[in-house]
Amino acid sequence: GENVEQHPSTLSVQEGDSAVIKCTYSDSASNYFPWYKQELGKGPQLIIDIRSNVGEKKDQRIAVTLNKTAKHFSLHITETQPEDSAVYFCAALSGYSTLTFGKGTMLLVSP
Amino acid sequence: DTEVTQTPKHLVMGMTNKKSLKCEQHMGHRAMYWYKQKAKKPPELMFVYSYEKLSINESVPSRFSPECPNSSLLNLHLHALQPEDSALYLCASSQVRGSVYEQYFGPGTRLTVT
Repeated sequence: GENVEQHPSTLSVQEGDSAVIKCTYSDSASNYFPWYKQELGKGPQLIIDIRSNVGEKKDQRIAVTLNKTAKHFSLHITETQPEDSAVYFCAALSGYSTLTFGKGTMLLVSP
Repeated sequence: DTEVTQTPKHLVMGMTNKKSLKCEQHMGHRAMYWYKQKAKKPPELMFVYSYEKLSINESVPSRFSPECPNSSLLNLHLHALQPEDSALYLCASSQVRGSVYEQYFGPGTRLTVT
């Protein structure tokens, strides 16, 4: 089955800095890669996703890149703000399967 | 609208109680999911319903019993739970089961078993 590794487990940045979270996957058949943001006491919120036929996708301050050859994908947050502080999960989906999640990254943005 | 609603928000139950968690979506999605999430861990899949039929049961103990009464509703019936079942229970839905369709989560039910 699919295995997703996520790094780092914690990330502390100053407000205005950029933050990068990286994930690798094992199943070359995986073709859908969502990112979720989970604030304390809330459910995971889908913030951006990418499909295997695309190399990069942007949505305002958030971008995701995918390298199919290396089997890794990354989340980039620019101009971080305190409200970006949360746990971020990457995930991968292969064929008619279910989502496999990474272990999560706790992002702390200090004012 | 990408809203999945769950009730109740919080639930405290004894080990001999019977309770139910409810989930609802009105996005026309035909795949619905139950996940269990422990603190500082990713969501862990429990059940998947596809077109109102149970398609995946991830070896979940029988004290958890899912039900999908119609395409918008998903229930999780709880009976004789153990303290280690205390967790955040998340419902999610997607257009259909499978790849390239976004999966949206509800806010969860925080369950405490005493």
